[in-house]
Amino acid sequence: GQNIDQPTEMTATEGAIVQINCTYQTSGFNGLFWYQQHAGEAPTFLSYNVLDGLEEKGRFSSFLSRSKGYSYLLLKELQMKDSASYLCAVGQNFVFGPGTRLSVLP
Amino acid sequence: DAGITQSPRHKVTETGTPVTLRCHQTENHRYMYWYRQDPGHGLRLIHYSYGVKDTDKGEVSDGYSVSRSKTEDFLLTLESATSSQTSVYFCAIREGTSSTDTQYFGPGTRLTVL
Repeated sequence: GQNIDQPTEMTATEGAIVQINCTYQTSGFNGLFWYQQHAGEAPTFLSYNVLDGLEEKGRFSSFLSRSKGYSYLLLKELQMKDSASYLCAVGQNFVFGPGTRLSVLP
Repeated sequence: DAGITQSPRHKVTETGTPVTLRCHQTENHRYMYWYRQDPGHGLRLIHYSYGVKDTDKGEVSDGYSVSRSKTEDFLLTLESATSSQTSVYFCAIREGTSSTDTQYFGPGTRLTVL
């Protein structure tokens, strides 16, 4: 089976850096995905890691350690529009964690 | 947006009635998925399809059935709706090669069962 855990809520200040963690236990692994979901909208794809290390995409970076079953999403230069839920997913059939609701304050 | 639409976008129905939700895609993707999303539970997989007439169950499939008679349409049916099936339902497709694929989601259907 698969078990995925994320913090429920986080708060950060505009312009700051925030790290959202995801830990997982899975019987098979073919990559870890991060999605952003604004309230009332569908999730949108942010990043994908299949090998250990850091993947950078502009203000967003994602890190993976397969041996530790651990990933994080790093958001830099936070903007108000980054207030959203962030979901990690693993497995061939995209099993999702519960999501982390991030609030960015002025 | 990967050409995914869902219909209806909103529906209110009564307990015991049948309900069918439709997911339509225009880009010939092989894999399609149905999820439900509820507060505190995140996205949970109901059923998925890996081709025409090829479907399999997800973690919360009880009370739901699916059909895929053509590539572009994936239907989710609640044979006899219950209040516990009040939720937001998302359809998704899988795109890419086996090593770099990801999912793209439809806009969602908000279903209320009274």
